[in-house]
Amino acid sequence: GNSVTQMEGPVTLSEEAFLTINCTYTATGYPSLFWYVQYPGEGLQLLLKATKADDKGSNKGFEATYRKETTSFHLEKGSVQVSDSAVYFCALRSSGNTPLVFGKGTRLSVIA
Amino acid sequence: KAGVTQTPRYLIKTRGQQVTLSCSPISGHRSVSWYQQTPGQGLQFLFEYFSETQRNKGNFPGRFSGRQFSNSRSEMNVSTLELGDSALYLCASRRQETQYFGPGTRLLVL
Repeated sequence: GNSVTQMEGPVTLSEEAFLTINCTYTATGYPSLFWYVQYPGEGLQLLLKATKADDKGSNKGFEATYRKETTSFHLEKGSVQVSDSAVYFCALRSSGNTPLVFGKGTRLSVIA
Repeated sequence: KAGVTQTPRYLIKTRGQQVTLSCSPISGHRSVSWYQQTPGQGLQFLFEYFSETQRNKGNFPGRFSGRQFSNSRSEMNVSTLELGDSALYLCASRRQETQYFGPGTRLLVL
């Protein structure tokens, strides 16, 4: 079946450090890929998405590139801020109207 | 445009009781999905409704049920609550590729 594997957290970084959160997936066909972020006490917000191979999604300084050859969609940010502290979820939708499949989430803490 | 709203935000119930959660999607969105979030299992898909019909269903027991009304609002019901049902229940409405999540209802079963 379809699945998403994310790196285990928590990840603790100093402000302005470089962030990478690894995400790999298993799916048939050509899934759409997503990163969602969950701030404390809130629901999930879409951070970025990519719908085909080699697409790069970007938003608020975060980027992720859809790599079909390595079945990966790693999240990166060049310089994190304290306000980026949250839980990040990688997700896929295999096709059409199938439900989103989420990874376990990676908690990021950024310290000043 | 208003986002996805969920009521109530917090609930405390005891084992054996039942509970109904409500979700109002973004205006114009016809698809509503429900997810259960727990520290151990992460985010698990419960079901999706589209135009009042259940379109997808996750792997949950029959105690979990839902419905959608003609205005796209959706309710989720859990009967005979168990301790393990304590979780954050998230609702999401969808337009094309993107799902928009509500803030969730946090259910505690004692």
